[in-house]
Amino acid sequence: ILNVEQSPQSLHVQEGDSTNFTCSFPSSNFYALHWYRWETAKSPEALFVMTLNGDEKKKGRISATLNTKEGYSYLYIKGSQPEDSATYLCACYGGATNKLIFGTGTLLAVQP
Amino acid sequence: GAGVSQSPSNKVTEKGKDVELRCDPISGHTALYWYRQSLGQGLEFLIYFQGNSAPDKSGLPSDRFSAERTGGSVSTLTIQRTQQEDSAVYLCAGEGVIDNYGYTFGSGTRLTVV
Repeated sequence: ILNVEQSPQSLHVQEGDSTNFTCSFPSSNFYALHWYRWETAKSPEALFVMTLNGDEKKKGRISATLNTKEGYSYLYIKGSQPEDSATYLCACYGGATNKLIFGTGTLLAVQP
Repeated sequence: GAGVSQSPSNKVTEKGKDVELRCDPISGHTALYWYRQSLGQGLEFLIYFQGNSAPDKSGLPSDRFSAERTGGSVSTLTIQRTQQEDSAVYLCAGEGVIDNYGYTFGSGTRLTVV
């Protein structure tokens, strides 16, 4: 069974702080990793789809890296803003699965 | 439509009643997924439809749950004889080349069984 783990479970930062969180997954039979942002009362929104070892992707102040050999991805937010407050979900395809398996998410709260 | 639509957005039902949740994906979504999030839990996979292939039902928690996708478009998730542990947010997602194979989620149905 594919197990996707995220840490920390929750994070409280001040506006302007930079922050990062981790997604770990089994490195064998890796296919793709997704990051989503889920704001309260809204739909989860796709941030990045990453497939290649060493991939780095960026969208505004948010960026992500991928290490498929050791089985982890980092999501970075530079200069956090209150509107960044959300749950950040990581999900993987892998092995025999043909669907995304999600981690439990990191809940980010940015205080103004 | 512009996105994946789900209805109803909220549903309160009495224990033992049947409920039907609807998902309208974007045209061009070749795959459709149902997930749910129970209080304090992560997103839990329920069922997956891909084209005309037999659906992957491996995530359905019991035989009270069923889903169908008619004409490769609209999908309905049916829960029979609802129980309190069925209370959750039920999310539908479509996937296709139009999204660069990321998922496009609907806004979910919040089901409360009382």
